Amino acid sequence: QKEVEQNSGPLSVPEGAIASLNCTYSDRGSQSFFWYRQYSGKSPELIMFIYSNGDKEDGRFTAQLNKASQYVSLLIRDSQPSDSATYLCAHPGGYNKLIFGAGTRLAVHP
Amino acid sequence: DVKVTQSSRYLVKRTGEKVFLECVQDMDHENMFWYRQDPGLGLRLIYFSYDVKMKEKGDIPEGYSVSREKKERFSLILESASTNQTSMYLCASSLRHGGAGNTIYFGEGSWLTVV
Repeated sequence: QKEVEQNSGPLSVPEGAIASLNCTYSDRGSQSFFWYRQYSGKSPELIMFIYSNGDKEDGRFTAQLNKASQYVSLLIRDSQPSDSATYLCAHPGGYNKLIFGAGTRLAVHP
Repeated sequence: DVKVTQSSRYLVKRTGEKVFLECVQDMDHENMFWYRQDPGLGLRLIYFSYDVKMKEKGDIPEGYSVSREKKERFSLILESASTNQTSMYLCASSLRHGGAGNTIYFGEGSWLTVV
């Protein structure tokens, strides 16, 4: 079992809808999670981090962490075509190295 | 802003060549990392360093080595390039310890093609 699992997608949503991206992890000791967005041909950029159970909101983005069920999700409200990208979930391992999932490709169509 | 600079963006090398990928960060970060990214496989850690002259193997170190002689610079070396090392290579840096908000910053990536 991979440490961090994501559905590769593509997840296709219409413009204006809510996109829901999910990630499950195997390490029960994981304390914090990061969501990165990666446009095609570009490097990943951080969009959210969450370190406690519950929800964290930042603009159109909401991260949700459920430690008991070992999943973390990212909701994107009012999805825009510019949100079309691959979204990577990650958590820190030793020495603060990040362990990534394979990413979910999101396609927002007009 | 944190800046992680990878000097070579696009390289084409021949099988068997020795390849150097250079990375420099300007935020005095202790940790530096080299990842490679391939379609369907996500980001895989090759090597990381948590201090000058210190290095640790990641998940896929075979065929690679690294050098960290100065805190701001971390080099990835392909001793004898092979076609299966064709990939995008990402350098990253962070502060030593994790925790809320202590994120990893990436360079723009180096696209390597081995022919």
